[in-house]
Amino acid sequence: NAGVTQTPKFQVLKTGQSMTLQCAQDMNHEYMSWYRQDPGMGLRLIHYSVGAGITDQGEVPNGYNVSRSTTEDFPLRLLSAAPSQTSVYFCASSYRSGQNTGELFFGEGSRLTVL
Amino acid sequence: GDSVTQMEGPVTLSEEAFLTINCTYTATGYPSLFWYVQYPGEGLQLLLKATKADDKGSNKGFEATYRKETTSFHLEKGSVQVSDSAVYFCALRGTGRRALTFGSGTRLQVQP
Repeated sequence: NAGVTQTPKFQVLKTGQSMTLQCAQDMNHEYMSWYRQDPGMGLRLIHYSVGAGITDQGEVPNGYNVSRSTTEDFPLRLLSAAPSQTSVYFCASSYRSGQNTGELFFGEGSRLTVL
Repeated sequence: GDSVTQMEGPVTLSEEAFLTINCTYTATGYPSLFWYVQYPGEGLQLLLKATKADDKGSNKGFEATYRKETTSFHLEKGSVQVSDSAVYFCALRGTGRRALTFGSGTRLQVQP
């Protein structure tokens, strides 16, 4: 059981470049989300989705786009990377019932550096 | 809005010492409370949770009690091991909300 899979694990970009962080889960979870982790700030929610075709903004959505065309995949797009987007990104998912308990299943993270 | 405050780390302990990591929260209504653990190079894993006041969550020797009167959810373990070295995050899910709000994390280092 793969769980939540994120790719790539590491990426270096130049300012202004674009890229997509991939996230896939094989647990048939309806809820998926992206967080960024920065030193001293914990995890902050970027975007989330409660099902295919439905997305919404979190706490820090600027500079990021998402889409949810299938239940399994939830890619995060950086349209024009900035040094402020240097961070570790985590994808997390949960069952619909998990929305009441809050238990999230996390990927291993993607470390992004923007020069 | 909702917020979670954790004690700053790192916390350095010797093996078999008693651990307390403080967590307090601000939220309306009756949030659910969680502790997540992040081992080096890995994603976060749920350690324990409590969904209503006075509930005690427990797992792997760790415990935390949901105290509504003090808005706290402190993590405790009676005897830590080197393998407990990790970053611990306190989190809450507010009433009617889908996403979790995380604290800033507390790094625990256990020395043999």
